[in-house]
Amino acid sequence: QLQLQESGPGLVKPSETLSLTCSVSGVSISSSSYYWGWIRQPPGKGLEWIGGIYYSGSTYYNPSLKSRVTLSVDTSKNQFSLHLSSVTAADTAVYYCARQSYGYFDSWSGYSNWFDPWGLGTVVTVSS
Amino acid sequence: QSVLTQPPSVSAAPGQRVTISCSGGSSNIGSNYVSWYQQLPGTVPRLLIYDNNKRPSGIPDRFSGSKSGTSATLVITGLQTGDEADYYCGTWDTSLSGGVFGGGTKLTVL
Repeated sequence: QLQLQESGPGLVKPSETLSLTCSVSGVSISSSSYYWGWIRQPPGKGLEWIGGIYYSGSTYYNPSLKSRVTLSVDTSKNQFSLHLSSVTAADTAVYYCARQSYGYFDSWSGYSNWFDPWGLGTVVTVSS
Repeated sequence: QSVLTQPPSVSAAPGQRVTISCSGGSSNIGSNYVSWYQQLPGTVPRLLIYDNNKRPSGIPDRFSGSKSGTSATLVITGLQTGDEADYYCGTWDTSLSGGVFGGGTKLTVL
């Protein structure tokens, strides 16, 4: 059964870099045709897609975060990671990792992009 | 402000039918597939619908999705108190080259 688990510091100081890792069990990242994504949810607010990475290293980033986000993958550990630099209080959120099904069908149907399953999420607070 | 627009809240009585709308534009819903997620209070979002109208295994057929033009709709029939949750739509935005979500709709079962 595919499971994902986020790990990393729960408290990050302003201007520093937030680093999280998602450990995947039940399937090999490198043998899967899926992307692996990050989504966050600020307290009391909705979902925001951060970005996704393929096992080859191909990435897509949210344009509003692109200048501060780096995703990486470690197939030997079956993990992928998120690094978000220059954080502020606005980056305080629950951070989820998820398997991201992403692909282009055709000019009529367009792109398919959905997330399942999700990790349990990890709370990250940005505060001095 | 979210790229996709959802009503902040909807409500209905147990056993009734409710619809949740998700409005977008030509670069997102209008040209790509839509997915829907349920987030029960204090829990992780769960995939309800993908590719406009497909249900993952384990999702009851009380939940259905559709898309028309630049809008999508989630329909829940036979409402149960356990359906009280936040519901989010999502899709890909070709212009942004990124995933986008709606702001979420809180469903109250009266």
